Amino acid sequence: DVKVTQSSRYLVKRTGEKVFLECVQDMDHENMFWYRQDPGLGLRLIYFSYDVKMKEKGDIPEGYSVSREKKERFSLILESASTNQTSMYLCASSLTRTGLEQYFGPGTRLTVT
Amino acid sequence: RKEVEQDPGPFNVPEGATVAFNCTYSNSASQSFFWYRQDCRKEPKLLMSVYSSGNEDGRFTAQLNRASQYISLLIRDSKLSDSATYLCVVNSNSGGYQKVTFGTGTKLQVIP
Repeated sequence: DVKVTQSSRYLVKRTGEKVFLECVQDMDHENMFWYRQDPGLGLRLIYFSYDVKMKEKGDIPEGYSVSREKKERFSLILESASTNQTSMYLCASSLTRTGLEQYFGPGTRLTVT
Repeated sequence: RKEVEQDPGPFNVPEGATVAFNCTYSNSASQSFFWYRQDCRKEPKLLMSVYSSGNEDGRFTAQLNRASQYISLLIRDSKLSDSATYLCVVNSNSGGYQKVTFGTGTKLQVIP
């Protein structure tokens, strides 16, 4: 079974703090994704990566950056957290660049106060 | 217009009922389609792919109508355990990558 893990289930941070969200997958998948999910807005893609050290902007990259130094690990960074970044963050991976089935981690609920 | 649109529901149905959800998409060049299921406070998981000829998996039937640009999910003999949010997912080719767009989901509540 594919396993995607995220470093925290719940996180509370203060406005202006730098926040790191970590995601690890154990199935040697090429593609990794970061989404945020908000009521009424659904899942929105922040960034994705199709290879080590490669990254592509998704639909809402502003205020975020990412890092992929190893194939199994994809990090989302909030350089200076703001209250409008309070959300559920979901990491996903898929086998190939055209990879159709995405496997999701359990999510991190981030609250910025 | 949203790229992928779903009725948010909730659909409240009694056990044993048949229920159907539709999902419309705006990009006529979309290539592949899926239904994901998301339980409350859990991550989305793939329920089934949607093939052009329609496909069935037990009590679940998925259909694609390219002319009208919608996909559907039919659930027969609803069980309490079917209560969840059902996400429609559409893939299209964008600059050499598969662009994956999720709908906002349709909530189903099956009532005893």
